[in-house]
Amino acid sequence: EAGVTQFPSHSVIEKGQTVTLRCDPISGHDNLYWYRRVMGKEIKFLLHFVKESKQDESGMPNNRFLAERTGGTYSTLKVQPAELEDSGVYFCASSQMNTEAFFGQGTRLTVV
Amino acid sequence: AQSVTQLGSHVSVSEGALVLLRCNYSSSVPPYLFWYVQYPNQGLQLLLKYTTGATLVKGINGFEAEFKKSETSFHLTKPSAHMSDAAEYFCAVRGRYNFNKFYFGSGTKLNVKP
Repeated sequence: EAGVTQFPSHSVIEKGQTVTLRCDPISGHDNLYWYRRVMGKEIKFLLHFVKESKQDESGMPNNRFLAERTGGTYSTLKVQPAELEDSGVYFCASSQMNTEAFFGQGTRLTVV
Repeated sequence: AQSVTQLGSHVSVSEGALVLLRCNYSSSVPPYLFWYVQYPNQGLQLLLKYTTGATLVKGINGFEAEFKKSETSFHLTKPSAHMSDAAEYFCAVRGRYNFNKFYFGSGTKLNVKP
């Protein structure tokens, strides 16, 4: 069974550009989470989807970040326009209801 | 409010030596505690967890951790380090009702010397 897959694994963009990260959860997992780790710091929660609905987006840093999960399958996280402080590793995780989450390998975003 | 503090961003041990990674937590509700590991170029993998019951929990690859409420600690140990244990380790806490909304520590990179 395929795990949580994230694309791309690395992305380097210039400040002011737009980047879209994608997460493909494990098939059948209704819950999808995004987390972010800024260099050397803790991994922080961004938001939680249940199917296509945002259950909790309390961790989204500002309105330059837009997360979607159309159809309740894969999710995208768009950063527009990107700033230097957005650099970090973005993790996605998925789970069935009230079970442990499985994490993807992360997308390393570098804004220069 | 919940938070986690991991003491030591880098820990280096010799192969065969004891591994001790420290984690202290703060939680306003009874905590569920976790250790995750990230090997190079891989995702986060659950090592072990404490929810309720026995305070000494055993995980994969010979790791274990003990929940000490009086010390608000959940330190990770392994009696004998192996080269393959080199990775970054994250302690995390979550509340009882937010199932996968974790509060992570800043991570500890474990280096194992031959």
